[in-house]
Amino acid sequence: QVQLQQWGAGLLKPSETLSLTCAVYGGSFSGYYWSWIRQAPGKGLEWIGEINHSGSSIYNPSLESRVTISIDRSKNQFSLKLSSVTAADTAVYYCSRRRASGSFDLWGRGTLVPVSS
Amino acid sequence: EIVLTQSPVTLSVSPGERATLSCRASQSVSSKLAWYQQKLGQAPRLLIYDASNRATGIPARFSGSGSGTDFTLTISSLEPEDFAVYYCQQYTNWPRFGPGTKVDIK
Repeated sequence: QVQLQQWGAGLLKPSETLSLTCAVYGGSFSGYYWSWIRQAPGKGLEWIGEINHSGSSIYNPSLESRVTISIDRSKNQFSLKLSSVTAADTAVYYCSRRRASGSFDLWGRGTLVPVSS
Repeated sequence: EIVLTQSPVTLSVSPGERATLSCRASQSVSSKLAWYQQKLGQAPRLLIYDASNRATGIPARFSGSGSGTDFTLTISSLEPEDFAVYYCQQYTNWPRFGPGTKVDIK
């Protein structure tokens, strides 16, 4: 059974860079889009961006200037970097698998990243 | 950009009753719409994809319908585990989620 396991730094200070990694266990890396989605406390879901197995990435226009998603095919991992964080970036960050047809069928457990001075 | 609106914001239903949730898109998304269930402290779970197809392992009491701009998620008879927040999501251009409908116990 395919699983996503994610990890990364917890508490950040304003202006620092958020860094998270997600590993794909038990399944193929190709044929899907590997995504990051976040959810601020008590709020809805916001798609951050995604990358495919070839390394082609697209980002939410509202975050594009600060986001980098990369892939390590040798380890079946993909990573998120979000620069210059502020308190508004405080959220639970999820990694997820998006099918070519568009829906997110597999999710990581989420990582809470607080940003506070 | 396509904006999704969900209604109602909160739906109070008794166990065993039917729940009908609405998702409206600001422009046509064809059938490129999915529904998710999220319980407190958990990741979302895919329920419905392509507007009307149940995801693997999803009980038959969940059904989706609609196309274009108007979509509906129906839970035919609410079980205790169904009380949660439900999100719709469109996937034209780039993925975007609706604000959610909370289904709570009446």
